[in-house]
Amino acid sequence: EAGVAQSPRYKIIEKRQSVAFWCNPISGHATLYWYQQILGQGPKLLIQFQNNGVVDDSQLPKDRFSAERLKGVDSTLKIQPAKLEDSAVYLCASSFGEAFTEAFFGQGTRLTVV
Amino acid sequence: AQSVTQPDIHITVSEGASLELRCNYSYGATPYLFWYVQSPGQGLQLLLKYFSGDTLVQGIKGFEAEFKRSQSSFNLRKPSVHWSDAAEYFCAVSAGGGGADGLTFGKGTHLIIQP
Repeated sequence: EAGVAQSPRYKIIEKRQSVAFWCNPISGHATLYWYQQILGQGPKLLIQFQNNGVVDDSQLPKDRFSAERLKGVDSTLKIQPAKLEDSAVYLCASSFGEAFTEAFFGQGTRLTVV
Repeated sequence: AQSVTQPDIHITVSEGASLELRCNYSYGATPYLFWYVQSPGQGLQLLLKYFSGDTLVQGIKGFEAEFKRSQSSFNLRKPSVHWSDAAEYFCAVSAGGGGADGLTFGKGTHLIIQP
């Protein structure tokens, strides 16, 4: 079974530029999550989708971050404009979306803002 | 809102020795608890999870964890560590069973294995 795919693996941009990350979840998984992991910290949930609808985006900085999940499958996360403090690993995860099930994580995209 | 505390930022253990990583959670109802491991440059891999029932749960790679409601703890243990266990370990809590709700993670414990 293929896992959660993310691209790119690494990205370096200058502050105030824009950047986009892509995630393809495990086939059949209804729920998709984006997490931000700053160095030395645990992942923080940014946004959760159920199919193509947003379930929770309470911790998403909406003035600069946006995310979409068209057709309820793959998803993109965008940052515009980027700030230095956005340097982090962005992890995508997916699950069947039911209780008593687990989330599976991709390898993440490491973003460096200079 | 739920929260997770991992009191130990770093732990150093000799290869072959036993291991215990501490995790304390704060949540008003019955928590759903998880331990994940992250190797350098890799995503998170689930070691084990607790939803209900037996408070001692077995996971992959020889790990186990015990849920203690009275202490709000979910400590991870392994009787004998291997050099390949060196990694970052995260405890997490969910209100909806992980798959139905987002996870709240602790800050992690970095495990170093001495030869």
